[in-house]
Amino acid sequence: KQEVTQIPAALSVPEGENLVLNCSFTDSAIYNLQWFRQDPGKGLTSLLLIQSSQREQTSGRLNASLDKSSGRSTLYIAASQPGDSATYLCAVSKNSWGKLQFGAGTQVVVTP
Amino acid sequence: GAVVSQHPSWVICKSGTSVKIECRSLDFQATTMFWYRQFPKQSLMLMATSNEGSKATYEQGVEKDKFLINHASLTLSTLTVTSAHPEDSSFYICSAPAGTSGMMETQYFGPGTRLLVL
Repeated sequence: KQEVTQIPAALSVPEGENLVLNCSFTDSAIYNLQWFRQDPGKGLTSLLLIQSSQREQTSGRLNASLDKSSGRSTLYIAASQPGDSATYLCAVSKNSWGKLQFGAGTQVVVTP
Repeated sequence: GAVVSQHPSWVICKSGTSVKIECRSLDFQATTMFWYRQFPKQSLMLMATSNEGSKATYEQGVEKDKFLINHASLTLSTLTVTSAHPEDSSFYICSAPAGTSGMMETQYFGPGTRLLVL
């Protein structure tokens, strides 16, 4: 059974520092991995999607790496801003049909 | 990008009553939708897969008679929490994958519905 773990559970950094969020999964037979952002009481916003054949994806200040063989993904957020404060979730999919398994998330606070 | 809406955004009901939550894909068709539940400080847990024109597929441990799912059209799925109890209080979120050629990779999430059962 697939288990998805995110460490740390919470993180607080001053504005301008880089953020490093970790995600690990026990079954390396994944189709893709996605990173989402969730603001309090809101739905999810997709940030990055990495196919199992890819090693990283980049979008603006965000970069996500994937090491499928070791069951790890890392989300880097450069030059953090207070607006980056949110909970970040990673999720893996076993096939192309969209069924996702989520980690518990990392709650990020960026202080001005 | 594609938009998924949910209605209502929040609902308070008395124990024993039923509550219906709607999930709509506004600008695309969704033959499949997913229903998740999220308890405070916890992650999203998949409850069921809603399939247009056929029965929903429920995850292990989810009571299909308590959480009724109807996917009557390509843009609407409904989740009805029957005989709701305080332990059903949670944040319910739906999602719909979108893509081409059977590759439904991009997930669009609704804004969620917060249910409080008194």
